[in-house]
Amino acid sequence: ETGVTQSPTHLIKTRGQQVTLRCSSQSGHNTVSWYQQALGQGPQFIFQYYREEENGRGNFPPRFSGLQFPNYSSELNVNALELDDSALYLCASSSRTSPYEQYFGPGTRLTVT
Amino acid sequence: GQQLNQSPQSMFIQEGEDVSMNCTSSSIFNTWLWYKQEPGEGPVLLIALYKAGELTSNGRLTAQFGITRKDSFLNISASIPSDVGIYFCAGHGLLSGTYKYIFGTGTRLKVLA
Repeated sequence: ETGVTQSPTHLIKTRGQQVTLRCSSQSGHNTVSWYQQALGQGPQFIFQYYREEENGRGNFPPRFSGLQFPNYSSELNVNALELDDSALYLCASSSRTSPYEQYFGPGTRLTVT
Repeated sequence: GQQLNQSPQSMFIQEGEDVSMNCTSSSIFNTWLWYKQEPGEGPVLLIALYKAGELTSNGRLTAQFGITRKDSFLNISASIPSDVGIYFCAGHGLLSGTYKYIFGTGTRLKVLA
């Protein structure tokens, strides 16, 4: 059974640019959530996707958007990057039978300069 | 962003000692989750709680879902050096009209051999 994978591992972008982060869910999981984790903080919920539709959203502006594909993989897109967007971005997947038991990937470290 | 209050913030303990940490919220949650995160990795699910008053164990770990649905605690018995890491609580529920996960501020555990 393959766990949650994320790409890229690290990324450096300039303020104002756009970025796309990718996540492959664990085998058998149909729900994907994205989190932002600043240094020394707990993860902050961005949004969740189920059956290719947004199924819950945290307090993040519209420039944070996402997609889920038919194979349940997902993308997080961030437009007009700001310095405060520098963080570890975590993806988590869960199954229909245990929807609240999320399994996290290793994350993508985004640095905005 | 919104985070749950977790205490203690950090703790040093001797190997073999028991550890207690708790998490409180001003909001009601339907599910409480406890995770452990080690450097360079995503959080790993330890225990999931689904009912007020529920007490659940996973090996040396025991967690309880508070009766008021606004708190939870985690106990680790007979700690060992590999228990080192950051422990996060998380609640899931309907907040401001949308379902979302809220994580705690984290408890950093260091075990002295």
